[in-house]
Amino acid sequence: NAGVTQTPKFRVLKTGQSMTLLCAQDMNHEYMYWYRQDPGMGLRLIHYSVGEGTTAKGEVPDGYNVSRLKKQNFLLGLESAAPSQTSVYFCASRAPDGGSNQPQHFGDGTRLSIL
Amino acid sequence: SQKIEQNSEALNIQEGKTATLTCNYTNYSPAYLQWYRQDPGRGPVFLLLIRENEKEKRKERLKVTFDTTLKQSLFHITASQPADSATYLCALDITGGSNYKLTFGKGTLLTVNP
Repeated sequence: NAGVTQTPKFRVLKTGQSMTLLCAQDMNHEYMYWYRQDPGMGLRLIHYSVGEGTTAKGEVPDGYNVSRLKKQNFLLGLESAAPSQTSVYFCASRAPDGGSNQPQHFGDGTRLSIL
Repeated sequence: SQKIEQNSEALNIQEGKTATLTCNYTNYSPAYLQWYRQDPGRGPVFLLLIRENEKEKRKERLKVTFDTTLKQSLFHITASQPADSATYLCALDITGGSNYKLTFGKGTLLTVNP
């Protein structure tokens, strides 16, 4: 029972490089989210998706792009990495409410360092 | 602007005591509030959800209260154990009923000393 899987777990990039973080969920959830977590800042929503083919901006979207081509996958892209994007990135998924409020299920994060 | 505040960054208690964590919010009336646990190097894990019309909810040694007048939720762990040491996050939907986005507090690091 994998739940939410994030790859890679760790990555070091140089400023200006690009990369894609992958999130995969096997729970058939409609909603998926990307957060970043920084010391003293808590979890902040970057982008989210309410279904295959849809994406929307969260609280801190600048410098990131996302795609949801398949229901089970949510990709987060860094176009030109900056040191300010050094963070731990978490993906989460959630089922629609269907009359009861559903919790979010998180992966174990990707630790990204930008030098 | 919306604010979610958890009472302290860190809380230290002795094993066997009750830990009480606070989550306060302003400028909003959420339909529900959630509590998560996060261990070092791991993602948050859902613990409990309480709705606005519920005053209290329990799960084993955990108890959550929700006071919509005070705009506050209290999270209690009774008979605490060292294994309860973790960061605890509260979260609520502040999007006016869309019900699919959560905003998280910064968390409280609980340490239970043997």
